Amino acid sequence: KQEVTQIPAALSVPEGENLVLNCSFTDSAIYNLQWFRQDPGKGLTSLLLIQSSQREQTSGRLNASLDKSSGRSTLYIAASQPGDSATYLCAVSSDYKLSFGAGTTVTVRA
Amino acid sequence: GAGVSQTPSNKVTEKGKYVELRCDPISGHTALYWYRQSLGQGPEFLIYFQGTGAADDSGLPNDRFFAVRPEGSVSTLKIQRTERGDSAVYLCASSLVAGGLSDTQYFGPGTRLTVL
Repeated sequence: KQEVTQIPAALSVPEGENLVLNCSFTDSAIYNLQWFRQDPGKGLTSLLLIQSSQREQTSGRLNASLDKSSGRSTLYIAASQPGDSATYLCAVSSDYKLSFGAGTTVTVRA
Repeated sequence: GAGVSQTPSNKVTEKGKYVELRCDPISGHTALYWYRQSLGQGPEFLIYFQGTGAADDSGLPNDRFFAVRPEGSVSTLKIQRTERGDSAVYLCASSLVAGGLSDTQYFGPGTRLTVL
């Protein structure tokens, strides 16, 4: 069974600092890895999807890397803003089924 | 265009009662998924539909849980004889095609179920 771990569980940074969120998974036989954002009481918004053959994906201030062989992904958020405060979840897909980590809750202080 | 919608947004019920949770996927999406998210945890897979049929229901916790998608669009998750441990947020997602390297699942806002 795929196990996904996210460290740290929570993170508080001052505005402008770069954020680094980590995700690890136990089974490297994946199709892709996705990073989601979840705001309190809301559903999940997909941020980035990295296919298993790719090493990284970028969207604006977000950059995600994938090292499939070591079972790790990192999400970087540059120049954080208070609006980035949310819970960030990573999920790996082995076929159609997503296996999620418990998330990292980020607070960006103004 | 419209995203995935779920109704109701909140449901409070008493232990032992029956509940139905509804999901309207994005138009044209053939794959539909249900997940359950407990407080402080990531979502856990419950069931996956391809068209009208349940292709994988291995995540349903027990036989009190059942889901249907009779016309290949709207889906209903049904929970019989609810228990306090069923309290969670139930999330629905849809995707154009299931699986594959670039398959992206789009999630609805969820239904928060509270069993008293």
